[in-house]
Amino acid sequence: AQRVTQPEKLLSVFKGAPVELKCNYSYSGSPELFWYVQYSRQRLQLLLRHISRESIKGFTADLNKGETSFHLKKPFAQEEDSAMYYCALSGVRAQKLVFGQGTRLTINP
Amino acid sequence: DAGVIQSPRHEVTEMGQEVTLRCKPISGHDYLFWYRQTMMRGLELLIYFNNNVPIDDSGMPEDRFSAKMPNASFSNLKIQPSEPRDSAVYFCASSLGAGGLSGELFFGEGSRLTVL
Repeated sequence: AQRVTQPEKLLSVFKGAPVELKCNYSYSGSPELFWYVQYSRQRLQLLLRHISRESIKGFTADLNKGETSFHLKKPFAQEEDSAMYYCALSGVRAQKLVFGQGTRLTINP
Repeated sequence: DAGVIQSPRHEVTEMGQEVTLRCKPISGHDYLFWYRQTMMRGLELLIYFNNNVPIDDSGMPEDRFSAKMPNASFSNLKIQPSEPRDSAVYFCASSLGAGGLSGELFFGEGSRLTVL
């Protein structure tokens, strides 16, 4: 079974401070991990995926298979980062995307 | 392309009434997903289709829920009879998947359902 856990429903940090949104997963096969983001009044959209190993809007996420984690990080938070963030998991052979409960990130000025 | 189109955007109904939510996926996408978003449970996958065929409906909460995809450009999700606990935002998403979900999901704007 696929499961994604985001332990923090709410996270609030000050502008310029580092941000880390936690994500842990459970999956017996080879996972594919994603972060999706929903800004206010916008559609839920893909932020980044682990296979791309890219930095998007200053965010990075590293897949740690030993700890079964895929935490999202940004060294210096900006006010426009305030949004709802969802971690998601798919197996290479499983075609469905399972999401965590989401973390609402608020960046305070 | 206008993206994934969902209707209605908002629906307020009374307990016991039938609710129908509609979705038009992006043209050419072969996967369609229905998700439900609530504060308590986050985004839950209800059902998904591949080439109009339901593949996994294990997330459909009860027999009151049903979904169909009669053709590649339309899907609907029905709740009959509706209950207050069905109140949520229902999202439809489509993707062009190939050999596992390495493709990106494109979401609609969601249908906010309130059952009184």
